[in-house]
Amino acid sequence: EVQLVESGGGWVQPGRSLRLSCAASGFTFDNFGMHWLRQIPGKGLEWVAGIPWNSYSVNYADSVKGRFTISRDSANKTLYLQMNNLKVEDTAFYYCAKVRAELDLIDGFDFWGQGTMVTVSS
Amino acid sequence: DVQMTQSPSTLSASVGDRVTITCRASHHIYSWLAWYQQRPGKAPKLLIYRASSLMSGVPSRFSGSGSGTEFTLTISSLQPDDFATYYCQQYNTASVTFGQGTKVEIK
Repeated sequence: EVQLVESGGGWVQPGRSLRLSCAASGFTFDNFGMHWLRQIPGKGLEWVAGIPWNSYSVNYADSVKGRFTISRDSANKTLYLQMNNLKVEDTAFYYCAKVRAELDLIDGFDFWGQGTMVTVSS
Repeated sequence: DVQMTQSPSTLSASVGDRVTITCRASHHIYSWLAWYQQRPGKAPKLLIYRASSLMSGVPSRFSGSGSGTEFTLTISSLQPDDFATYYCQQYNTASVTFGQGTKVEIK
């Protein structure tokens, strides 16, 4: 059974940093692109960042470029999102998601984690 | 970025109704489009990929069509479980984008 479990969310002041983790199981982690997405409660979905199966050519939304870094650890089957210089507008539920098609960077996202809330406030 | 525009934003319907949601892309995206269902407090669920391919386990009352810039999600006979918010997502570019969502409410 595919499982994605996020952790690392919480409350943080503007300008500070936070690192989210997403522990993956139930599939061959090394063969799938992975992404982070976010959603302000009650609002729509926003893509944040994506990393291909081989970690080559990562991509970021303009809103987080230069502040967030996506990475993956195949030994621990974990996806990360390092978030620096956080802003109030980064407040949202953050989801990790698995790409449907093997060896593709992007496709539909067929499995999602349960989400972790990040609150940026002074 | 490719902008995705969904309509309507809200849709009131009854059990058994046929429901259609439209998604328009600002640029040609071929068939690189997915549809999701999201229930309150839950993560989105992938229903359809590549514009018209049904995910395994998704009921056949859901169908997708379209290519280029105009796409539709159709629910042939609305069931109680289907009252939720639906999103389209383009993946023609590495920077994927979503429509703003369509909330399907009970009439």
